[in-house]
Amino acid sequence: EMVLTQFPATLSLSPGERATLSCRASQSFSSNLAWYQQRPGQAPRLLIYDASTRATGIPARFRGSGSGTDFTLTISSLEPEDFAVYYCQQRSHWPPAYTFGQGTKLEIK
Amino acid sequence: QVQLVESGGDVVQPGKSLRLSCTASGFTFSNYGMHWVRRAPGRGLEWVALISFDGSETYYADSVKDRFTISRDNSRSTLYLEMESLKVEDTGLYHCAKDLGTTGRWSDPWGQGTLVTVSS
Repeated sequence: EMVLTQFPATLSLSPGERATLSCRASQSFSSNLAWYQQRPGQAPRLLIYDASTRATGIPARFRGSGSGTDFTLTISSLEPEDFAVYYCQQRSHWPPAYTFGQGTKLEIK
Repeated sequence: QVQLVESGGDVVQPGKSLRLSCTASGFTFSNYGMHWVRRAPGRGLEWVALISFDGSETYYADSVKDRFTISRDNSRSTLYLEMESLKVEDTGLYHCAKDLGTTGRWSDPWGQGTLVTVSS
């Protein structure tokens, strides 16, 4: 069973700072990983898919990287609206099945 | 723009059944796969089920297999989740989400969700 571990659980930063969020998988897989952002009271939204492709309308300050078991979401310069919970998600190729990490809460310092 | 609106959430007793619906608009529903994803109180997200664009393929999380059935009516642009033999651990906010492709890619966008509470 695939397990995704996100760290840190909580990240406290100030607007303008750089954020680095990590997602580690219990088994190696290719680049079938996505990142989602969930703001309070809102549904999750897709930020990054296939490890490094930004979804439509996502600002360039969001960057995804990694392969194998270690993946990273980097936000280059935090805007006030970026403070939210971030989830990584892995997709198994066949049969299709998905696993989420437990989330990283990005909070204002 | 794409809109997904879930409905059907309720308070039900363990062992009972419930059907959720998701009405879609703003895109050609019959061209895209669809997902159900839930979040239990105080916990993270859990993928529940996926259906292909034409309904010919369905996939489930192990935790709901043989109890939940995902289906769709493309003529009504509506997605369903039939839930049977409900357990307390099925309690949560259920979101429907559009797939990026015809089957089994990524989920975007998501609806706001409908709340299911399983309690005696």
